[in-house]
Amino acid sequence: GAGVSQTPSNKVTEKGKYVELRCDPISGHTALYWYRQSLGQGPEFLIYFQGTGAADDSGLPNDRFFAVRPEGSVSTLKIQRTERGDSAVYLCASSFSRGNTEAFFGQGTRLTVV
Amino acid sequence: TQLLEQSPQFLSIQEGENLTVYCNSSSVFSSLQWYRQEPGEGPVLLVTVVTGGEVKKLKRLTFQFGDARKDSSLHITAAQPGDTGLYLCAGDPQGGSEKLVFGKGTKLTVNP
Repeated sequence: GAGVSQTPSNKVTEKGKYVELRCDPISGHTALYWYRQSLGQGPEFLIYFQGTGAADDSGLPNDRFFAVRPEGSVSTLKIQRTERGDSAVYLCASSFSRGNTEAFFGQGTRLTVV
Repeated sequence: TQLLEQSPQFLSIQEGENLTVYCNSSSVFSSLQWYRQEPGEGPVLLVTVVTGGEVKKLKRLTFQFGDARKDSSLHITAAQPGDTGLYLCAGDPQGGSEKLVFGKGTKLTVNP
């Protein structure tokens, strides 16, 4: 596709459930980023992939959060045992190459944990 | 932790007015970017500045990177309702890390 695509657009889940958020980056972009944006805040870095490997996962808040990018394209952010504090917009971005931080963002997935 | 402070947090002006928003830090950034975000959408990159003192213009928008690469400003001339949105600055910390540090944003409303 022409831009970064994230699915679903909205996700409502019950506390304690498992969720998966999907990101389809721009074709040919090797770098992929996940950010989390809480209400009234700027995006907060979670994890960065270069190809298939997680080059920097220092922003993941705890071990309930995990992300994969098995074929170097689509990425999935996985959250186990969701908590109400996980409610936020999860943004995915991609850029052409390592060292190029001019990233293109998807529209985000709004996660609500009830 | 390198922080970016944006001011003002909220700004409501009339069409045709000029405005400036600021992005400040006590840390040096190797580059700084400005994004605009509309409700329900992801941020859209407006500009990247990389050199201290650099000035870039994008139609009615003027971006400046401070000489010490710790601060930046965005000036909009003759604002229009279409300029309404959340303006975010984001910095690439010194050392070329791959992650961006974002400010909280300035929410701009331009009234017709």
